[in-house]
Amino acid sequence: AQSVSQHNHHVILSEAASLELGCNYSYGGTVNLFWYVQYPGQHLQLLLKYFSGDPLVKGIKGFEAEFIKSKFSFNLRKPSVQWSDTAEYFCAVNALGFQKLVFGTGTRLLVSP
Amino acid sequence: GAGVSQSPSNKVTEKGKDVELRCDPISGHTALYWYRQRLGQGLEFLIYFQGNSAPDKSGLPSDRFSAERTGESVSTLTIQRTQQEDSAVYLCASSLGGQGSYGYTFGSGTRLTVV
Repeated sequence: AQSVSQHNHHVILSEAASLELGCNYSYGGTVNLFWYVQYPGQHLQLLLKYFSGDPLVKGIKGFEAEFIKSKFSFNLRKPSVQWSDTAEYFCAVNALGFQKLVFGTGTRLLVSP
Repeated sequence: GAGVSQSPSNKVTEKGKDVELRCDPISGHTALYWYRQRLGQGLEFLIYFQGNSAPDKSGLPSDRFSAERTGESVSTLTIQRTQQEDSAVYLCASSLGGQGSYGYTFGSGTRLTVV
């Protein structure tokens, strides 16, 4: 069965600090990978996704993620966070041939101004 | 519609009562998913519909939970004899196709509180 681990449950950063949120998945086959974000009071939105090709994926608002197949990882990064990045971030995996996304437990990011 | 619409946005119910939650997916999206998000936890898969195929009910936590979808339109999630542990945000998502690889578009959720 697929599973997703997000090791950081809560992260607190100051504005302009760099961000890296960890995501590891367990599945030996081909996967599609996603990061979703949920801003306070809003619904979940797609931040970025990886299907194939360049393992470095760029998403909205300056976020990027790198797929490292050998490490089963898909970490989310941003060089300089802003207060408006305060949100909960969810990593998700879809194993090729399966219908559903499996989500991690989320990382709550608080950026202080 | 432009997005996935869920109603009600909030529901407070007494323990033992039945509740019905509604999801209106994006027009043309053949796949529809229900997830549950308990406080401080991740998204828990409940059920998946794809076109006229038999739904994947593997995530439903008990027989008190059921869901229906008519064709590729509205879905309702019903919880019978609600319990306090059912309190959660119930999220609906729709997708273009039956493969999770398309990614989902989520609704705003229904916050259910069982008192």
